[in-house]
Amino acid sequence: DAKTTQPTSMDCAEGRAANLPCNHSTISGNEYVYWYRQIHSQGPQYIIHGLKNNETNEMASLIITEDRKSSTLILPHATLRDTAVYYCIVLSGGYQKVTFGTGTKLQVIP
Amino acid sequence: GAGVSQSPRYKVAKRGQDVALRCDPISGHVSLFWYQQALGQGPEFLTYFQNEAQLDKSGLPSDRFFAERPEGSVSTLKIQRTQQEDSAVYLCAMRTGNTGELFFGEGSRLTVL
Repeated sequence: DAKTTQPTSMDCAEGRAANLPCNHSTISGNEYVYWYRQIHSQGPQYIIHGLKNNETNEMASLIITEDRKSSTLILPHATLRDTAVYYCIVLSGGYQKVTFGTGTKLQVIP
Repeated sequence: GAGVSQSPRYKVAKRGQDVALRCDPISGHVSLFWYQQALGQGPEFLTYFQNEAQLDKSGLPSDRFFAERPEGSVSTLKIQRTQQEDSAVYLCAMRTGNTGELFFGEGSRLTVL
């Protein structure tokens, strides 16, 4: 699976959009981009995934660049409860283990 | 994660003791994963079951770690002769279908003294 690179930490003001970047320059054509988050003392939570089109659900939006070498997870109106570690993961189809890196620690500031 | 129940939530063991951690999965989910998460790190893959078959145990750190899922439902992760470096949160996860969408339990925090 392709490796991903994320900033170690980010701050975001409450109510503003949080934009979390991820680089995956070695992604191959059949690999999806997945995002998870982990709130303190809880298990990771699936957020969203995409292949090449932008995706949106009730939690977030995922913007994938045309060359697919990077993506951005957008939380449109960050709240204090969005403070968490966010993991960007690249996976191909079929069985495989989901491999987490160290993620981005997002701190939402009041 | 709703539907994935892990027990105990907290376990303190003396070095050298054996421990068993239990995962009660979402009914009907075929795939089950165990992960280990050390403090400040991301979760690390340990092992994977499809029904009762353990198809991948490449992440188990030593032969002191053993996982089973005899009836394809409840799974137990056993650690023999615990060491201090085994202190971590152990997470169980289920997968829907053949995607990368996993549902995690809240984990069992093991502290080895």
